[in-house]
Amino acid sequence: QVTLRESGPALVKPTQTLILTCTYSGFSLSTNGMCVSWIRQPPGKALEWLARIDWDDDKYYNVSLKTRLTISKDTSKNEVVLTITNVDPADTGTYYCARSSGSGRYVAHYFDNWGQGTEVAVYS
Amino acid sequence: QSALTQPRSVSGSPGQSVTISCTGTSDDVGGYNYVSWYQHHPGKAPKIVIFDVNKRPSGVPDRFSGSKSGNTASLTVSGLQAEDEADYYCCSYAGNYVFGTGTKVTVL
Repeated sequence: QVTLRESGPALVKPTQTLILTCTYSGFSLSTNGMCVSWIRQPPGKALEWLARIDWDDDKYYNVSLKTRLTISKDTSKNEVVLTITNVDPADTGTYYCARSSGSGRYVAHYFDNWGQGTEVAVYS
Repeated sequence: QSALTQPRSVSGSPGQSVTISCTGTSDDVGGYNYVSWYQHHPGKAPKIVIFDVNKRPSGVPDRFSGSKSGNTASLTVSGLQAEDEADYYCCSYAGNYVFGTGTKVTVL
């Protein structure tokens, strides 16, 4: 059974760095075609894709946020970490991690399993 | 990149069909056959119901179907059931990924 669980601070202050962790089980992020993305949803707004890390450690970022985002993985711990620097109130929202499972070198461009999300509020 | 445009809400009675549109541009919806749809009950993990425009993951009822014409994708839920009441989001690959604005489906 595939599961993903997000964790991180519920509250951060403006200009601080936000570190979010996605702990997954039921699959290996070392397997060809496996990817994990971070997606967020500000209150009352649309979902927004943030970043993706692939089985081969390739990384992709939302162009508009690229300078503030870093995604990494630790397959020994089954974790994917997203770091967002210099946060401000616009970063408030629910943060989700989600898996994409292709095969071989085929990357699936959809998210077949999601976590329940972790809520983050940015205010002083 | 702007969010894909979805109607804010649609509704139908049990047994009826509803269709949700998802309008983008030739840079996203129109340019790739990588449109997916997600059902989201608040407080729960979003669930995929359609991928690659019209493919259904195993376990998703065949009441859910997807299509695309030009820059607009659509999700149709036939034979509406109470448990279909949820928020629905489309998503398109576009070099990165862009989501729709979301549609609340109400079962009357």
